[in-house]
Amino acid sequence: QQQVKQSPQSLIVQKGGISIINCAYENTAFDYFPWYQQFPGKGPALLIAIRPDVSEKKEGRFTISFNKSAKQFSLHIMDSQPGDSATYFCAASKGVSNTGKLIFGQGTTLQVKP
Amino acid sequence: KAGVTQTPRYLIKTRGQQVTLSCSPISGHRSVSWYQQTPGQGLQFLFEYFSETQRNKGNFPGRFSGRQFSNSRSEMNVSTLELGDSALYLCASSFWGGPEAFFGQGTRLTVV
Repeated sequence: QQQVKQSPQSLIVQKGGISIINCAYENTAFDYFPWYQQFPGKGPALLIAIRPDVSEKKEGRFTISFNKSAKQFSLHIMDSQPGDSATYFCAASKGVSNTGKLIFGQGTTLQVKP
Repeated sequence: KAGVTQTPRYLIKTRGQQVTLSCSPISGHRSVSWYQQTPGQGLQFLFEYFSETQRNKGNFPGRFSGRQFSNSRSEMNVSTLELGDSALYLCASSFWGGPEAFFGQGTRLTVV
């Protein structure tokens, strides 16, 4: 059973545009929601994360929006750059009570055109 | 501070063989988790070790096993390899086993 659903599967954005990736989860016990960025040949790198007591978190050009009632969260990349072209994964965890286990979405391949 | 180091980076094995992968966590991190990444199944949790004890396990067959040493380094073993085991195996470390995890570059295993 897929517990975290991610969309879209792929995304093409023009340089300077906004990239939006959405995720939905099922398990209300999840209490930590990170986003990872992965370049070809590399491992996933932690980008930004949010806990459900916050509706939005911003770090530079990256923003997570969180809707607890809808069980959805999204990543917004403002002023997208060609260097942002990568695969993005959302994930969820039960945090302290479920140590070490991240449930990942299927990933979104982002291409930013110059 | 050095990141998570996985060795080897690439491996080619034959069906039926066994393989051992190694992971050195970030200095001071005591928790090591392992994930399998494939195009079809995505990133899937294998198991997590903390202070040499397995604390959490994913839904993988018993052919997949691991261990952690007193210096927090971890190894993962896959016995009786199958073609479907071909994947990128990723190791992630965290300080105390909390959700903030940092990944290595992975070991690309190809089973032929």
